[in-house]
Amino acid sequence: QKEVEQDPGPLSVPEGAIVSLNCTYSNSAFQYFMWYRQYSRKGPELLMYTYSSGNKEDGRFTAQVDKSSKYISLFIRDSQPSDSATYLCAMSAIQGAQKLVFGQGTRLTINP
Amino acid sequence: GAVVSQHPSRVICKSGTSVKIECRSLDFQATTMFWYRQFPKQSLMLMATSNEGSKATYEQGVEKDKFLINHASLTLSTLTVTSAHPEDSSFYICSASSRTVSPYEQYFGPGTRLTVT
Repeated sequence: QKEVEQDPGPLSVPEGAIVSLNCTYSNSAFQYFMWYRQYSRKGPELLMYTYSSGNKEDGRFTAQVDKSSKYISLFIRDSQPSDSATYLCAMSAIQGAQKLVFGQGTRLTINP
Repeated sequence: GAVVSQHPSRVICKSGTSVKIECRSLDFQATTMFWYRQFPKQSLMLMATSNEGSKATYEQGVEKDKFLINHASLTLSTLTVTSAHPEDSSFYICSASSRTVSPYEQYFGPGTRLTVT
């Protein structure tokens, strides 16, 4: 079993839709949860960072962590064509920028 | 700010030769650099972590004699794939971190596509 599972998609939605991206994990030691966005032929860039359980909102993006279910989500409201990218969840048991374990990535396309 | 570059972006080499990939932090000093590889439709897999001036720490299953990592300065790390074989063909991505820039973020380079023929 992989430590982090993420549906690779692809996921295609119309512009303006609410997008839900999810990851599950098996390692209960994970405390730090991140979402990265990766455009084609570019390196990943950090979108959201959360510690432990709870919600975090940043503009059109909301990250949710449910440690009891070992489940994290990223919601994108009012999705735009520029949001089309691959979204990777990442997790770590160690504080600081160390030892990230990534999900497979979900390829998202927002259709105008 | 916090830009990381990689060179080359693409490289094709023959089986048995060695290839060097450079990773540079352009506008900050990186105390730690990381090397990942990514196969098509798979996640980034951490290969090794290196701190400036120290030997790299390799993840389980990664051959340190095959993937030589040098972190000679606070802005440069290199990955050398020695005696490359077709199964080494992959997308290699580096990242860098610095507590003075962010306590929890890794900044990723654009990646290097290696093809071994």
